[in-house]
Parts: sequence; C-alpha cells; structure tokens
Amino acid sequence: AQTVTQSQPEMSVQEAETVTLSCTYDTSESDYYLFWYKQPPSRQMILVIRQEAYKQQNATENRFSVNFQKAAKSFSLKISDSQLGDAAMYFCAYRGGDTDKLIFGTGTRLQVFP
Amino acid sequence: DAGVIQSPRHEVTEMGQEVTLRCKPISGHDYLFWYRQTMMRGLELLIYFNNNVPIDDSGMPEDRFSAKMPNASFSTLKIQPSEPRDSAVYFCASSPGGWYRTEAFFGQGTRLTVV
Repeated sequence: AQTVTQSQPEMSVQEAETVTLSCTYDTSESDYYLFWYKQPPSRQMILVIRQEAYKQQNATENRFSVNFQKAAKSFSLKISDSQLGDAAMYFCAYRGGDTDKLIFGTGTRLQVFP
Repeated sequence: DAGVIQSPRHEVTEMGQEVTLRCKPISGHDYLFWYRQTMMRGLELLIYFNNNVPIDDSGMPEDRFSAKMPNASFSTLKIQPSEPRDSAVYFCASSPGGWYRTEAFFGQGTRLTVV
C-alpha cells in the first residue's frame, strides 16, 4: 500500500527567510502525482504545487519549489522569502496513476515569525 | 463554478443520532473523495467514487459509516448511530478524470461534534 510520511510535525521560519518541509512516500507504482497542499486556519485546503512523477524537472510556483528525488522517494517543499501569510498546515499528498487514490501525510505546521 | 459545496458547515448532534453530510462536487468532475480530519490521525481517506461508483471504501472505519453517490452532482456520508469519537472535520473533494485526473479540489468541510 502507498504511504506518505511527513516527519516534521512543526517548523518555524523568520519572515523573508527560506524553509524546507520534508516528505517521503512509498509506492510500487511507476506513474503517480505528488502535491503540496496548504491549510490555513480557515481550514480550506489549497493546492500549492504539483509534480508529475514522469517529469524530471522540479516544479516551481513563484516562491514555492520542490526537490523531487524519485529514486529516494523524497518530495520536499521549499518556501523562499517566507511571508506571514505562509503560516499554515502543509500536507504532502500522493495520487497513484493506477489506483487513483489520493492520500495525505500527517502534515507539518509552519509558523512564520516577524 | 462555485467549487465543491458541502453542507452543513457545522453539525452538533447527540450520541446515537443519525448524521448525514452532503457534498456537491464540481460539475464535470469524475472523482469524488471523502476524508476525515482529526488531530490524532490527520487526513484519512474514507472512500472514493469514480463516475458515481464506489472504488475503494477500505478507509471507512466501521459499519456505522456509509456513503452514496446517487448521481454525478451529489454524494452523502451517513453515520448511524453517531458516537463522540466520530467528532472531526469531514471533507469532500472532487477531481477531473482522464488525463486531467491530477489534483483534487476541496470543499470547506463539515465540522461534526457528537456530544
């Protein structure tokens, strides 16, 4: 069965600094998708970034970028120039190309200090 | 499109009562997912549908939980009888199918409190 692991329950960063959130996953599928979702206090789940497993190039979205290491099954999120509005729970997620299940890690709570 | 719509936003019920949570997915989306979020267990996938057919319900905790999708625009998650340990936020999400079956779009969630 596929699993997603986020080993950092909490992280903190100073405003304008860079922070990296870690995620590892386990799967036997060759085709899949990986995501980072943000959940602010409003509890709305917001897609931050998406990575297709067949793409070697790391995805970027403005200040957000990923480091996708397929062989190591690692998918970390880097937030550059952190802003107060980045404070939230961040969830790593996996969606199988065959099973279509969308499963989540346990989340990392990010605090941003002025 | 208005996005995924869930109702009610909040529900408080007494132990033993039946609870029904509702979800309207985004029009044209083929997949619908139900999740439960708690502090202890995070976001658990309960069940998901493809074209109104349940594909995997292995995450449904027990027989007290049931989910239906009678048509492409409506799904329900029912708990009968409810117990205090069912207190959680329940999310519904939908996604397109085919080549576009990538990320899911989430509703605002229903916060369920069983007293």
